[in-house]
Amino acid sequence: GAVVSQHPSRVICKSGTSVKIECRSLDFQATTMFWYRQFPKQSLMLMATSNEGSKATYEQGVEKDKFLINHASLTLSTLTVTSAHPEDSSFYICSARATETEQFFGPGTRLTVL
Amino acid sequence: GQNIDQPTEMTATEGAIVQINCTYQTSGFNGLFWYQQHAGEAPTFLSYNVLDGLEEKGRFSSFLSRSKGYSYLLLKELQMKDSASYLCAVMDSNYQLIWGAGTKLIIKP
Repeated sequence: GAVVSQHPSRVICKSGTSVKIECRSLDFQATTMFWYRQFPKQSLMLMATSNEGSKATYEQGVEKDKFLINHASLTLSTLTVTSAHPEDSSFYICSARATETEQFFGPGTRLTVL
Repeated sequence: GQNIDQPTEMTATEGAIVQINCTYQTSGFNGLFWYQQHAGEAPTFLSYNVLDGLEEKGRFSSFLSRSKGYSYLLLKELQMKDSASYLCAVMDSNYQLIWGAGTKLIIKP
């Protein structure tokens, strides 16, 4: 299957700082990428859909000014958590759409905000 | 609204067979997916059903009935490494994945 990478895999930051997470499709082009958040013992929650060259579409309840998404190329989408707080600590996972019905997941980024 | 239901947790014995059910109500249907997720890791793809019937892939099989809005994942010859969460997801008419809450499968020796 296709490969999607995420960087960093783990990040610990102080409250109030911003953190950028990168999602890259390594061997295919992805016009659409998805950002998910997963809290312990809960299922994936879609945060936003990232479309190359246009604004991201955010799910209800997700603050677009806090979670900045940039999909500047067909292989890279970034999620920036601005002014992070302890309640933003979570497992952030991206996926990239290869075809209409195929999505491939990155390995996830564990964010801990102190 | 859109809804995916699957049991929260199941327990099975090593070497046995377990069936994890999933029922769904979505706006449109473009296929049903099963993913496996180990703790602290991203989901990995197991199966995709878009037509009715059974798809077999090694020890894992997945069944779909579109008229009943129902699917199951069947795991045979269970191994300890199969302990994980199993996520059912349906792709709706907009090709968006709607996720179930996942079923935590506990395998006992």
